[in-house]
Amino acid sequence: DAKTTQPPSMDCAEGRAANLPCNHSTISGNEYVYWYRQIHSQGPQYIIHGLKNNETNEMASLIITEDRKSSTLILPHATLRDTAVYYCIVGRISNFGNEKLTFGTGTRLTIIP
Amino acid sequence: GAVVSQHPSRVICKSGTSVKIECRSLDFQATTMFWYRQFPKQSLMLMATSNEGSKATYEQGVEKDKFLINHASLTLSTLTVTSAHPEDSSFYICRVGTSGSNLDTQYFGPGTRLTVL
Repeated sequence: DAKTTQPPSMDCAEGRAANLPCNHSTISGNEYVYWYRQIHSQGPQYIIHGLKNNETNEMASLIITEDRKSSTLILPHATLRDTAVYYCIVGRISNFGNEKLTFGTGTRLTIIP
Repeated sequence: GAVVSQHPSRVICKSGTSVKIECRSLDFQATTMFWYRQFPKQSLMLMATSNEGSKATYEQGVEKDKFLINHASLTLSTLTVTSAHPEDSSFYICRVGTSGSNLDTQYFGPGTRLTVL
């Protein structure tokens, strides 16, 4: 069973920041928060991950609450190409690359022109 | 550029035939490969996990004799849907994992859309 809950859909105006929330209240101490997105009929694309500190890369920022029970993915300046389903997943680090990733239902983000 | 490829990208077959889907790791040695299935407007469902040179581990409810997985090398895994039926029509996606703690190397393939008539 998925360990995360996300709103099923969100809209965001083009050029504005898109803030996608995720609840993971049962996350354990050795589990990371991963974010992926899936554009229609394509494979999922990695966006960002974090353990407890906020993270930023060229695609997005990840804000994790102090108790780690929830997080927010921020796309700072959303474009039409950011329209996709966004998945928040929790999972452990694995030195062998064999960690299972279980997908929930995700959030369908639609960027409005 | 892509680091994981799948072939074919889409396939249409008649009911009762078998279909083979290939997943290739292009830039690194994939110690583990995962196969997912995705029905329209649904999330990805993990079907099985395979490690190079060993038998695949199937998730509950997935028939191992129907979905044959071969992971004979560190760069290639195949999923064969045997005796396909219309209910097997789906989007099949592989994911490859490699040794090390870089989580952004958990790459997904572009997917294969299977339509069974």
